[in-house]
Amino acid sequence: DSGVTQTPKHLITATGQRVTLRCSPRSGDLSVYWYQQSLDQGLQFLIQYYNGEERAKGNILERFSAQQFPDLHSELNLSSLELGDSALYFCASSVAGHPRTQYFGPGTRLLVL
Amino acid sequence: DQQVKQNSPSLSVQEGRISILNCDYTNSMFDYFLWYKKYPAEGPTFLISISSIKDKNEDGRFTVFLNKSAKHLSLHIVPSQPGDSAVYFCAASAGGSQGNLIFGKGTKLSVKP
Repeated sequence: DSGVTQTPKHLITATGQRVTLRCSPRSGDLSVYWYQQSLDQGLQFLIQYYNGEERAKGNILERFSAQQFPDLHSELNLSSLELGDSALYFCASSVAGHPRTQYFGPGTRLLVL
Repeated sequence: DQQVKQNSPSLSVQEGRISILNCDYTNSMFDYFLWYKKYPAEGPTFLISISSIKDKNEDGRFTVFLNKSAKHLSLHIVPSQPGDSAVYFCAASAGGSQGNLIFGKGTKLSVKP
């Protein structure tokens, strides 16, 4: 158990809908990262937050957004969903001062029908 | 354009023998490298990392070797155990405080009893 929690574990929705994925980092970790893993793809970095502020952006679509709250949990919002958005979405957190070793949550499996 | 490549999608090894997983990278700015292990339906688990100032790092049965001139790293598992059967991801980071990781597509290791 990495200490990073993600909810829900599974999500099934329809095209055009909007969903919110939630992540709670390990106790004391200030950085939260979101990654997407599609079929046959490695993990693709989406976005990073550090202590409530956006720190880095990767291959994140404009239909996707995220935020980190004062209690440090983070939410990833996916809107106008398309079939191709079906994927595993992972959240990771890292220790302040050692940002590059990241600890991953169990993921949310999103299926868009 | 894949910056981190794991050219072997799968590897099969006998229990007790050495497993060698390979990873190549193209970005000279990468200065920190990590290996993660992933079981089905779980998030990636951090295994071991290495900074570019070193050429070897060891942790129990796991050793990572870095050859900067060849832009190549490898993970050695000795001795291999059936519980090591999983997908192994190589990841790299280009430094700074952002810390986002670039992942390879993974190598599926099967350790046969």
